[in-house]
Amino acid sequence: RKEVEQDPGPFNVPEGATVAFNCTYSNSASQSFFWYRQDCRKEPKLLMSVYSSGNEDGRFTAQLNRASQYISLLIRDSKLSDSATYLCVGGAGNNRKLIWGLGTSLAVNP
Amino acid sequence: EPEVTQTPSHQVTQMGQEVILRCVPISNHLYFYWYRQILGQKVEFLVSFYNNEISEKSEIFDDQFSVERPDGSNFTLKIRSTKLEDSAMYFCAGGTGETYEQYFGPGTRLTVT
Repeated sequence: RKEVEQDPGPFNVPEGATVAFNCTYSNSASQSFFWYRQDCRKEPKLLMSVYSSGNEDGRFTAQLNRASQYISLLIRDSKLSDSATYLCVGGAGNNRKLIWGLGTSLAVNP
Repeated sequence: EPEVTQTPSHQVTQMGQEVILRCVPISNHLYFYWYRQILGQKVEFLVSFYNNEISEKSEIFDDQFSVERPDGSNFTLKIRSTKLEDSAMYFCAGGTGETYEQYFGPGTRLTVT
């Protein structure tokens, strides 16, 4: 299994829709998890950390299921400005290197 | 809010030439990283740097690559003899080490012709 795997999409949704992204990981990327957002030809920006208990930040909810090695991101009431690539990322090792998924592309349409 | 800065934003070089990519991390960060992203591909870890030495490097980071932090401020990535396949976005990142959270610079687009 690849270390961090995501469905690349693209996901095309209308404004106001709820959209969910999923990600699976292998054991080597299993210490901490994050969702980053990347706009076209820009740097990745930290969106949120992912905890086993689940965490919410406004319209965004992230969830980690360690038993299934599965991470999710839910975006509610999507906005045009949410259009971007969403990167599932695992942190591993004492040096805290990040292991990246390919990203899931989201286009929110008016 | 402090930011990671990188220069240049775009570097065009001929195959076989040396390039130096520069980064100024956030001042209270202790761990520093270089990642690269070839167009259309995933972000890849190159190297981590802590306490003035390389703490981990990937298979990509071969003898053509080197890093240094000469003055406690700048953090540089040098590619000694560039190849066409080195063309990519190179991102510098840093973190405190207390968590895995890392903050990225805007990247340098390297084009090798």
